[in-house]
Amino acid sequence: EAGVTQFPSHSVIEKGQTVTLRCDPISGHDNLYWYRRVMGKEIKFLLHFVKESKQDESGMPNNRFLAERTGGTYSTLKVQPAELEDSGVYFCASSRNTNEGNTIYFGEGSWLTVV
Amino acid sequence: GNSVTQMEGPVTLSEEAFLTINCTYTATGYPSLFWYVQYPGEGLQLLLKATKADDKGSNKGFEATYRKETTSFHLEKGSVQVSDSAVYFCALRPPGGYNKLIFGAGTRLAVHP
Repeated sequence: EAGVTQFPSHSVIEKGQTVTLRCDPISGHDNLYWYRRVMGKEIKFLLHFVKESKQDESGMPNNRFLAERTGGTYSTLKVQPAELEDSGVYFCASSRNTNEGNTIYFGEGSWLTVV
Repeated sequence: GNSVTQMEGPVTLSEEAFLTINCTYTATGYPSLFWYVQYPGEGLQLLLKATKADDKGSNKGFEATYRKETTSFHLEKGSVQVSDSAVYFCALRPPGGYNKLIFGAGTRLAVHP
């Protein structure tokens, strides 16, 4: 069974450009999450999808970030326009449900550098 | 609010040394506590967890005990190996938090032969 896969693994873009990150969760996982780690700091929650619906988007930093999960399968996270402070690692994760003992599986992350 | 504080790295040890990475938390109610590990070039992996006070999580020789009185969840291993070199993240999930994890800043561990 494939794990959580993210694309691209690395991206370098100029300030003001647009970048779209993609996440494919584990098959059958209704719950999909985005997190990010900037400048070696803590990993912070961005948002949580249940199927195609946004359950919690309280961690989205501003309206330059747009996350979608059309059809409840893969998800995209678009940053437009990108700023220098957006540089960091964007992690995607998925889980089958949200029960107490449930395991969340993370991808390898997408490394974004804005120059 | 909820937060996690863990010791700053990097932590550099020789093989077979004893490891402690400190983690303390602030939370409302009784959170679940986790240690995640990120090996070079890989994603975050759950290392161990504890869901209530005095629980001990263990895996791959690592242990951590949920201490409510000191709000701590320190990670320990009796004898580290070079293959343990990675970044370790302490995290909590607030009660009813729908798997919304709150992470510490991470501690890089380097183990030398």
